Amino acid sequence: AQSVTQLDSQVPVFEEAPVELRCNYSSSVSVYLFWYVQYPNQGLQLLLKYLSGSTLVKGINGFEAEFNKSQTSFHLRKPSVHISDTAEYFCAVTFNTDKLIFGTGTRLQVFP
Amino acid sequence: DAGVIQSPRHEVTEMGQEVTLRCKPISGHDYLFWYRQTMMRGLELLIYFNNNVPIDDSGMPEDRFSAKMPNASFSTLKIQPSEPRDSAVYFCASSSGAGYGYTFGSGTRLTVV
Repeated sequence: AQSVTQLDSQVPVFEEAPVELRCNYSSSVSVYLFWYVQYPNQGLQLLLKYLSGSTLVKGINGFEAEFNKSQTSFHLRKPSVHISDTAEYFCAVTFNTDKLIFGTGTRLQVFP
Repeated sequence: DAGVIQSPRHEVTEMGQEVTLRCKPISGHDYLFWYRQTMMRGLELLIYFNNNVPIDDSGMPEDRFSAKMPNASFSTLKIQPSEPRDSAVYFCASSSGAGYGYTFGSGTRLTVV
């Protein structure tokens, strides 16, 4: 079955530290990959996406992600986080369809 | 563009009552999606439309749930009768296609007591 796995349900980190949020997917078919962020009591906002081309994609708020086809991964990174980055982050994948399949989310908690 | 607009933002209803959630997608988007978010199950795709036609409703939990899209600018998700386990945040999203990602509305928080 096609699935998206976010192994870390919570990631605590201190302000100005680097962070990596992990995402793996299970399929060898053509995929589009996305990261979304959800702030409390809000909808999901697109951070970045990978469709093709360069495997390193840059998004909003200083985030970037790297597509690794051999490892079927699309990890999200930021070199220095801010308090305002505290939110829920969702990885999502389309498996050669129009449907986005979401991971279970990773709660990023940034401490001062 | 005002984005995807959902109404109401909050809904509290008694068990057994009918609930109707509304969504106005972004103009020009051909796809509309309804998701449900709970702590236990995360984000679940309920149904999606392409050009106002339901394409996949395999995520609709049971016959109590129904969704319509009478035109390109409006969709409804109806629950009749509602049950406490339907309590969740319901999101609507629209898109121009898979490669563009989705734009989400702010959601409707439904509480069934």
